[in-house]
Amino acid sequence: QVQLQESGPGLVKPSETLSLTCTVSGVSISSYFWSWVRQPPGKGLEWIGYIYSGSSRYNPSLKSRVTISVDTSKNQVSLKLTSVTAADTAVYYCARHGDWEFDYWGQGTLVTVSS
Amino acid sequence: QSALTQPASVSGSPGQSITISCTGTSSDVGNYNLVSWYQQYPGKAPKLVLYGVTKRPSGVSNRFSGSKSGSTASLTISGLQAEDEADYYCCSYVGSSTLVFGGGTKLTVL
Repeated sequence: QVQLQESGPGLVKPSETLSLTCTVSGVSISSYFWSWVRQPPGKGLEWIGYIYSGSSRYNPSLKSRVTISVDTSKNQVSLKLTSVTAADTAVYYCARHGDWEFDYWGQGTLVTVSS
Repeated sequence: QSALTQPASVSGSPGQSITISCTGTSSDVGNYNLVSWYQQYPGKAPKLVLYGVTKRPSGVSNRFSGSKSGSTASLTISGLQAEDEADYYCCSYVGSSTLVFGGGTKLTVL
């Protein structure tokens, strides 16, 4: 079965770079689109961006700070978000695309931006 | 790229039907049949309950149904059950290979 597991530091300092990894099992990441979605505490979902076959697209509001990449040898999808502020504090999810919907989700990982 | 508009909350009694709306524009919801809906329990990851406006993934109850009229998509839950109490989010393709979520709706089963 398809499983997604996010990992990375739970605490990041302001102005630094947030880096997360999503390890996928049960399917080859080369065969699907993969997105990152975040959810600030008590708030709604926000799409960050996706990657497929080396091509990525990002939410225009985050585009200047986001990079999504893949490591096919490890079956992993990665997220980097630069120059973080407290507004970037959120639970970060990785998710697989069916078509333009998300059919599998990781359990999420909370990242807090604080000094 | 503005968030889609959902009511903050809806409520209903067991056995009743409720509908959650998701309003966008002619550039997103109104232009593509690519609206999906997610159910989220507190502290849990979202779960896909509808996609392509009306399609149900395998395993999702047929009490969940979807529709669209103009720039507004809707999720209807019939035969409301206590287990349906959760947050619900819509999401739409908005062109240029990008997506946007609605603000979310808290469903309370009275």
